[in-house]
Amino acid sequence: SYVLTQPPSVSVAPGKTARITCGGNNVGSKSVHWYQQKPGQAPVLVIYYDIDRPSRPSGIPERFSGSNSGNTATLTISRVEVGDEADYYCQVWDSSGDHWVFGGGTKLTI
Amino acid sequence: QVQLQESGPGLVKPSETLSLTCTVSGDSISIYYWTWIRQPPGKGLEWIGYINRSGNINYNPSLKSRLTMSVDTSKNQFSLKLSSVTAADTAVYYCARGSVVNRFFDYWGQGTLVTVSS
Repeated sequence: SYVLTQPPSVSVAPGKTARITCGGNNVGSKSVHWYQQKPGQAPVLVIYYDIDRPSRPSGIPERFSGSNSGNTATLTISRVEVGDEADYYCQVWDSSGDHWVFGGGTKLTI
Repeated sequence: QVQLQESGPGLVKPSETLSLTCTVSGDSISIYYWTWIRQPPGKGLEWIGYINRSGNINYNPSLKSRLTMSVDTSKNQFSLKLSSVTAADTAVYYCARGSVVNRFFDYWGQGTLVTVSS
């Protein structure tokens, strides 16, 4: 089955740029979606791929962006704020088995 | 606005069957993948499986032998049954709507904690 690998944690100072990676075999050929989960809350979609380009759902700040190439997808959060502190998960659809797959999650500390 | 709400017992005994229902409001159960996802305490997200309005189903292979999903379009609900539960099945269970084209989850329920304990 397809595996996505994320770093367990990333730390960044307020106002700086956070980059959270998601590794997988030829993940650049897949649509990688990203979710933010704050303690005690359900995950929230922050980046999704539509027609092979990253997009943000309504209400998600422009500070959130995504990229995907080769074996690594990246969620980038610019001008990080304290309120961005959360767990972040990447997700793909594995067409070989028609399964949805999540990465292990990354805790972003501000 | 689409809303999903999980319901079911919060405590299940080992070896028994965990049963949950997700009620969808704000939209009819239409052309989406109606999905269950779980999260053990302090751990990551695990995709359990999906069902669509036609009853087509796909399960996580690691859970497949114990899973049953169903959909009731008249009630705008879909359900999950997980048999022979153990403490390892203790988790927050989420229902979510999966998009057909891009395969992401755009709406989630708030989640319900199910504890397996005698």
